[in-house]
Amino acid sequence: SQQGEEDPQALSIQEGENATMNCSYKTSINNLQWYRQNSGRGLVHLILIRSNEREKHSGRLRVTLDTSKKSSSLLITASRAADTASYFCATDAWGANSKLTFGKGITLSVRP
Amino acid sequence: EPEVTQTPSHQVTQMGQEVILRCVPISNHLYFYWYRQILGQKVEFLVSFYNNEISEKSEIFDDQFSVERPDGSNFTLKIRSTKLEDSAMYFCASTEIDQPQHFGDGTRLSIL
Repeated sequence: SQQGEEDPQALSIQEGENATMNCSYKTSINNLQWYRQNSGRGLVHLILIRSNEREKHSGRLRVTLDTSKKSSSLLITASRAADTASYFCATDAWGANSKLTFGKGITLSVRP
Repeated sequence: EPEVTQTPSHQVTQMGQEVILRCVPISNHLYFYWYRQILGQKVEFLVSFYNNEISEKSEIFDDQFSVERPDGSNFTLKIRSTKLEDSAMYFCASTEIDQPQHFGDGTRLSIL
């Protein structure tokens, strides 16, 4: 089964608008994380939400987690051109520091 | 902020040759990982390493792959006899207990 499937696959918005990206998963998780990847670069950790948390904020980022629906959303408010990147959700299962399972990612383009 | 560093940034190798990808994890981290990302596809887990031994490995991580922590700072991934399908970005990650994984910028491996 696929774990960590994001939608939409691509999103294009105007600078200043909010961007909402969704992620669904199939099996029980310990944590869900969102990462950003600029073209040709590594993965930058954005935010981690634990399975017993429902919402978390970090600057312009807001993440929600609904374990009953096995889904998460990442909201970026007041987007900037520099937010243009690919965004991935990644889940890990119970167990100390277990592997991350990534989705296919969402390509976000923010037009100046 | 401490970073995971990977060398080289790009490696071009003839099919059948051995290749070693190098990583310097963040100094106080205890858990180490290798992932790969084939162009246009999702990031896939290869192997995790803790306390000088492999914790978990994926189906991709067959007998052609090995990992080593030869000293207190380096963490290497060796591919013994490279195949065309090994062409990918290889990412190293490290973490402390129950914290997000921090990724390097990756090594682009091109097999000719």
